Amino acid sequence: GESVGLHLPTLSVQEGDNSIINCAYSNSASDYFIWYKQESGKGPQFIIDIRSNMDKRQGQRVTVLLNKTVKHLSLQIAATQPGDSAVYFCAEKRRTSGSRLTFGEGTQLTVNP
Amino acid sequence: GAGVSQSPSNKVTEKGKDVELRCDPISGHTALYWYRQSLGQGLEFLIYFQGNSAPDKSGLPSDRFSAERTGGSVSTLTIQRTQQEDSAVYLCASSSRGQIFGYTFGSGTRLTVV
Repeated sequence: GESVGLHLPTLSVQEGDNSIINCAYSNSASDYFIWYKQESGKGPQFIIDIRSNMDKRQGQRVTVLLNKTVKHLSLQIAATQPGDSAVYFCAEKRRTSGSRLTFGEGTQLTVNP
Repeated sequence: GAGVSQSPSNKVTEKGKDVELRCDPISGHTALYWYRQSLGQGLEFLIYFQGNSAPDKSGLPSDRFSAERTGGSVSTLTIQRTQQEDSAVYLCASSSRGQIFGYTFGSGTRLTVV
């Protein structure tokens, strides 16, 4: 069925390196994509979102890229820090689903000192 | 309150018992959502309340699950006759009407059915 999924379940990087977390989606009827960060024992925390009519959006140390041709979404974290260690989820809001979100399975990012 | 509050934070129950999970959203947020997160999995939508509209119950996995939202604020998710497969973290989120995608999540209730 249609879903949002992630390419890799785990990603390990060195402190100071850039991290790239990927997400593939299959539903073309999505108008927003959102990235969440979830630390152990906590609920997901909103990081950044992007409208489906955009290709790129930048935040503080984070950039989200959207490639609608191949239905691919990525989150880039610059100068990754130990505090960035968490599970990262992509989520989509579909036009036909009100404001409910469909989440992917998550990527565990580990930052090594 | 300042954030979304969920209680209890942990609940261990025997198979076959009923449980109630509580969510206290951010004051003024009109939308409230329940999601379930199984170990190592993504978030599974359960139910969504928006103002006085009829809730979207399309994600509830069986008729053992129900939820209500009283007075447009606090919500209770009830699971009847719990099964071991109900073990998961139950997350609640709320958002204001103009922020439909920028949910604020609570820390969740970890339910363990033994």
